[in-house]
Amino acid sequence: ETGVTQTPRHLVMGMTNKKSLKCEQHLGHNAMYWYKQSAKKPLELMFVYNFKEQTENNSVPSRFSPECPNSSHLFLHLHTLQPEDSALYLCASSQAGGSGANVLTFGAGSRLTVL
Amino acid sequence: GQNIDQPTEMTATEGAIVQINCTYQTSGFNGLFWYQQHAGEAPTFLSYNVLDGLEEKGRFSSFLSRSKGYSYLLLKELQMKDSASYLCAVRDSNYQLIWGAGTKLIIKP
Repeated sequence: ETGVTQTPRHLVMGMTNKKSLKCEQHLGHNAMYWYKQSAKKPLELMFVYNFKEQTENNSVPSRFSPECPNSSHLFLHLHTLQPEDSALYLCASSQAGGSGANVLTFGAGSRLTVL
Repeated sequence: GQNIDQPTEMTATEGAIVQINCTYQTSGFNGLFWYQQHAGEAPTFLSYNVLDGLEEKGRFSSFLSRSKGYSYLLLKELQMKDSASYLCAVRDSNYQLIWGAGTKLIIKP
């Protein structure tokens, strides 16, 4: 399978549950990202990994915990979430480094609903 | 603060032309991107502008004026499949991407 694959596509969880989102890319990219997309709001960057090392954590609450075991896989562990965390969570990958076009390739997202 | 403005929603007719505007105020500039996102799908890259002027790619063109902090995406010969959200993003001086909230484009027959 090519591109960026995210699982599950849909997730409903209670506030006391623990779940994980998974992202996998087969593009040979060495940077991976988690974004939060809420209706009618700009994409919010949550975490960035370059060569498996976390390089950004944009003041994300500790109830979101990222993990990047290798340059092809990225996880977002979720625990004790709040209803306002309901959103579409997008994973993306790119070549590391900010110069040039450095286009992001996105997955289709995991739609999270917190009850 | 840094800000990207684009219209929330636009409606156009199949076969027509539509222009989606994007204005930005950012700390520095290192390129502007347009992405297309169909409902329930991944955003996909459309265009990248770093120098002033028009970049044409088939039915889609993107224009940039750095002095005005302004870009537009021009879609010609609109097709029903062009119904989607169009996201504008600017890379600032720290190479961080600043995103607009997106423009939902509705195409009517």
